[in-house]
Amino acid sequence: EAQVTQNPRYLITVTGKKLTVTCSQNMNHEYMSWYRQDPGLGLRQIYYSMNVEVTDKGDVPEGYKVSRKEKRNFPLILESPSPNQTSLYFCASRTQAGKLFFGSGTQLSVL
Amino acid sequence: SQQGEEDPQALSIQEGENATMNCSYKTSINNLQWYRQNSGRGLVHLILIRSNEREKHSGRLRVTLDTSKKSSSLLITASRAADTASYFCATDRSQAGTALIFGKGTTLSVSS
Repeated sequence: EAQVTQNPRYLITVTGKKLTVTCSQNMNHEYMSWYRQDPGLGLRQIYYSMNVEVTDKGDVPEGYKVSRKEKRNFPLILESPSPNQTSLYFCASRTQAGKLFFGSGTQLSVL
Repeated sequence: SQQGEEDPQALSIQEGENATMNCSYKTSINNLQWYRQNSGRGLVHLILIRSNEREKHSGRLRVTLDTSKKSSSLLITASRAADTASYFCATDRSQAGTALIFGKGTTLSVSS
C-alpha cells in the first residue's frame, strides 16, 4: 500500500531536549516536505527536499533541521525544542503530477 | 505567505444537501488542489486542477477554476455524514511544485 509513515504519532518533551521525527515513503517520490499545522494559521511549510541531498527552506524553517540521505527517508530534527514548536507536524511526499501524500501526523508538545 | 483563502470558514448542512466551498488566491498559479482532513489526521488529496482547465469532476466532487477572478470552488453533491471534515485549497505557483501554499480551510459539518 502506498503510504507515508511518520513516527511517533504523539510526543511530549521538555525544552532543549533534542528530538527527531521520522518520515518514510514507499512510493519512490523524489519530492518530500514537512509542514506544521497550528490553529488559525493553517499549514505552513518548514522544509522541502527535491531529491537526495537536496533540501531547502520553506516558510518557517527556524529551529528545525532536515536531512535527505536516502530517497525514502526525510527526518525532521529539532535540536533544541522550545514551547513555540508545540504543533501538529505532517510529512508529505509528492507525485510527478504534483499530488501530495501526507503522513498521519505527529502531535508534539514541548513543555 | 498565505495564498489561498477559503470561504466560508465553517459550513453546516444536512445529509443530502450540496456543499459549496470557495477559494480565492492572489497571484498566478500553475495548479490548484483541494484536500480533505479528518479531525487531526493527515490531509487526503481530492482533486488537482491546472491553470488551463476550468472544471473537473471526481465522483460527487466538482471543482471549478476561474483564473480571471483568481478563485476556485469545490462542490460536494448529496453530502453524507462521512463528508464531515476540513477542506483546504492549495495553490502551486511553480512548475516544480515547491511553492504549494495552503489556505486555512473550511470546516464542513454534515448532520444526519
